[in-house]
Amino acid sequence: DQQVKQNSPSLSVQEGRISILNCDYTNSMFDYFLWYKKYPAEGPTFLISISSIKDKNEDGRFTVFLNKSAKHLSLHIVPSQPGDSAVYFCAAYFQGAQKLVFGQGTRLTINP
Amino acid sequence: GAVVSQHPSRVICKSGTSVKIECRSLDFQATTMFWYRQFPKQSLMLMATSNEGSKATYEQGVEKDKFLINHASLTLSTLTVTSAHPEDSSFYICSARDGLVGSGTQYFGPGTRLTVL
Repeated sequence: DQQVKQNSPSLSVQEGRISILNCDYTNSMFDYFLWYKKYPAEGPTFLISISSIKDKNEDGRFTVFLNKSAKHLSLHIVPSQPGDSAVYFCAAYFQGAQKLVFGQGTRLTINP
Repeated sequence: GAVVSQHPSRVICKSGTSVKIECRSLDFQATTMFWYRQFPKQSLMLMATSNEGSKATYEQGVEKDKFLINHASLTLSTLTVTSAHPEDSSFYICSARDGLVGSGTQYFGPGTRLTVL
């Protein structure tokens, strides 16, 4: 049972444009949602999170939007830069559990 | 920011030997640490969760006698792969959660590439 889904395995965006990464979830108990970025042969790096009581959180070029009614969240990166090319994982957490639930990841490629 | 270190970054061993991987939280106390495994082009697979001073909780299908986890202090957890075989070759990643932060944010180590010959 995949509680967190990233339906796009890959995404290609031109440098300077906006990158939008999507994530859907099924469990309405989740309290927080997080985005991680991962380069090959490295551990994931935490990017940004959002509480389930909010609908938007912004940090520099990164903005996460949460639509609870649709059980959907998205990560916007603007403007996209070549260094943003990586695999992005969406994750969800609820305080009753000890662990994060990860999506399958989306490989983002920024083209010059 | 929160930093998690992992050592070694790369290890090659012979089949049948045991390998120990260390995970340390450098600037915060990690009440909970996690061990993941990643196969090529796949997502992170949680192997086990450990709380300081207590036994680890293993995910279904993970052999607890093969993957020994010790979380002896608030800043150190170790994973020992016992009697390693070639199928244990993988990328192992640890993460730690700051107990004072309620968002569940986990900080990941850089990973350890294990190759069993």
